[in-house]
Amino acid sequence: GDSVTQMEGPVTLSEEAFLTINCTYTATGYPSLFWYVQYPGEGLQLLLKATKADDKGSNKGFEATYRKETTSFHLEKGSVQVSDSAVYFCALLASGGSYIPTFGRGTSLIVHP
Amino acid sequence: DTGVSQDPRHKITKRGQNVTFRCDPISEHNRLYWYRQTLGQGPEFLTYFQNEAQLEKSRLLSDRFSAERPKGSFSTLEIQRTEQGDSAMYLCASSLGVGEGSNQPQHFGDGTRLSIL
Repeated sequence: GDSVTQMEGPVTLSEEAFLTINCTYTATGYPSLFWYVQYPGEGLQLLLKATKADDKGSNKGFEATYRKETTSFHLEKGSVQVSDSAVYFCALLASGGSYIPTFGRGTSLIVHP
Repeated sequence: DTGVSQDPRHKITKRGQNVTFRCDPISEHNRLYWYRQTLGQGPEFLTYFQNEAQLEKSRLLSDRFSAERPKGSFSTLEIQRTEQGDSAMYLCASSLGVGEGSNQPQHFGDGTRLSIL
């Protein structure tokens, strides 16, 4: 079945450091890929998405590129802020009529001033 | 667009009691999902509606759980005879599905946190 694997956290960085959170997936066909962010006590918010190979999703300084050859969708940001501290979830929505997304377990990011 | 709304935000109840949660999706969204989330985990799929039809239900879902979406708008999730293991955050999400294989992302509510004493 479909699956999403994220790097284990927590990831701890100083403000203005470079961020990478790895995400790899297993799915047939050409799934759509998403990153969601969850702040404490809140639901998940869509951060960015990509729907086909080589697409780059971007939002609020975060980027992720859909790499079909390595089945990856790594999240990056050039300079993190304390306010980016949250849990980040990678997810896929399989092609071919499935409406149920598959989520990774989440990666906690802690940014220190 | 007021987003997805869930009520209540918190529910504390004794083991064995029944609880009901409500979700109001974004008004034009035809798809509605319920998830359960425990600490340190991603959302676990429970059930999915397209309009008023419940199209999928997790095989792992106990018979004590039931969900409805009677008019294709708001939805309720009921848990009967609650157990300690039901303590979790229950998330609702909605999306706009247009045709087969639609890849529209989901919009989540802030969840209902259930604590079983």
